[in-house]
Amino acid sequence: QKEVEQDPGPLSVPEGAIVSLNCTYSNSAFQYFMWYRQYSRKGPELLMYTYSSGNKEDGRFTAQVDKSSKYISLFIRDSQPSDSATYLCAMSALPIGSFGNEKLTFGTGTRLTIIP
Amino acid sequence: DSGVTQTPKHLITATGQRVTLRCSPRSGDLSVYWYQQSLDQGLQFLIQYYNGEERAKGNILERFSAQQFPDLHSELNLSSLELGDSALYFCASSVVETSFYNEQFFGPGTRLTVL
Repeated sequence: QKEVEQDPGPLSVPEGAIVSLNCTYSNSAFQYFMWYRQYSRKGPELLMYTYSSGNKEDGRFTAQVDKSSKYISLFIRDSQPSDSATYLCAMSALPIGSFGNEKLTFGTGTRLTIIP
Repeated sequence: DSGVTQTPKHLITATGQRVTLRCSPRSGDLSVYWYQQSLDQGLQFLIQYYNGEERAKGNILERFSAQQFPDLHSELNLSSLELGDSALYFCASSVVETSFYNEQFFGPGTRLTVL
């Protein structure tokens, strides 16, 4: 069983819809949770970062972490065609750059298409 | 543009061969990370270097090795290549500030095809 599970999709929604992307994980040591966006033929770029449980909002994006359920979500409001990409969740036990175990564990990614 | 550069963009080679992938981190970043991305396994952490020293190891095969040079660029060496090594290889870099999360900035990747 993988440490991080993510529905690979693909997911297609009409423009303007609310999108919900999710990951579950098994390692209770994970404390740092990230969402990356990856456009076709590009490297991943950080979209959202949260520490421990709670919500974080940034414009049209909201990240939620529920450590008790080992479940994280990314919500995209008023989705735009430019949001079409693969979304990867990632998590780590220690902050990157802390001189500890620097490993980021990624989900396999969900491919999202926003239909105009 | 993340500021991380990777060369070459594409590499096509045959089984049994050896290749070297190169990464230049963002200016000022001391840490370099290598990842492999394949369709079935997703993005897998391979290895991390900090200021020339190996810091963390992931699921890196013995046929693979890496190093970071004094000018902080890094190279990933893949030898005795197999068909299953065909994948996208990403390099990422980050600054290092203890006790804080430091964003990893990813390069554009090198697409390796083993025939």
